[in-house]
Amino acid sequence: NAGVMQNPRHLVRRRGQEARLRCSPMKGHSHVYWYRQLPEEGLKFMVYLQKENIIDESGMPKERFSAEFPKEGPSILRIQQVVRGDSAAYFCASSPRLAGGADNEQFFGPGTRLTVL
Amino acid sequence: LAKTTQPISMDSYEGQEVNITCSHNNIATNDYITWYQQFPSQGPRFIIQGYKTKVTNEVASLFIPADRKSSTLSLPRVSLSDTAVYYCLVGDVFTGGGNKLTFGTGTQLKVEL
Repeated sequence: NAGVMQNPRHLVRRRGQEARLRCSPMKGHSHVYWYRQLPEEGLKFMVYLQKENIIDESGMPKERFSAEFPKEGPSILRIQQVVRGDSAAYFCASSPRLAGGADNEQFFGPGTRLTVL
Repeated sequence: LAKTTQPISMDSYEGQEVNITCSHNNIATNDYITWYQQFPSQGPRFIIQGYKTKVTNEVASLFIPADRKSSTLSLPRVSLSDTAVYYCLVGDVFTGGGNKLTFGTGTQLKVEL
């Protein structure tokens, strides 16, 4: 059973361009979470999705950021008109059920490191 | 928000037991306590999770007092490969919202020979 896959692993964009980050959850997992990690900081929750639904996007900036998890295919985190402050590592995690409960760990992908020039 | 507080860093030597304590005074009734390990340039990896008392698995133990306002991750006989950042996470998305899944700055554990 392959783990959580993220691609690309590294992404370089110029200011104003769009960044698309992809996450394929573990097989059988229908819950996906996106986190952002700035240098020397902990991971910050951005958004929680189930298939075709956004459950909680309270941690995601209101503008320029969007996320989806279609019925088929990977989850996508999309950042429009990137700025230098968007440079960070973006991690995706998946779980079979709601995270935080008993026996319900999140499995993290290797992350995508976004650099905005 | 159930804020967590951990020491910024800890040093140890191979073969020693390491205990990392996390304070979470505002923990809610439905919150579980989860610890993750993160190596540089990798995603966090689940270590252990508990609700109260003591939990033990093949890599660690988790001690939670009755008031649940703190928890201690115990790593028996650490090795060089245990050098990593350890995060304490308190939350339950279902009742508390996604922001309860925000990690703190973690504890940088450095193990030396």
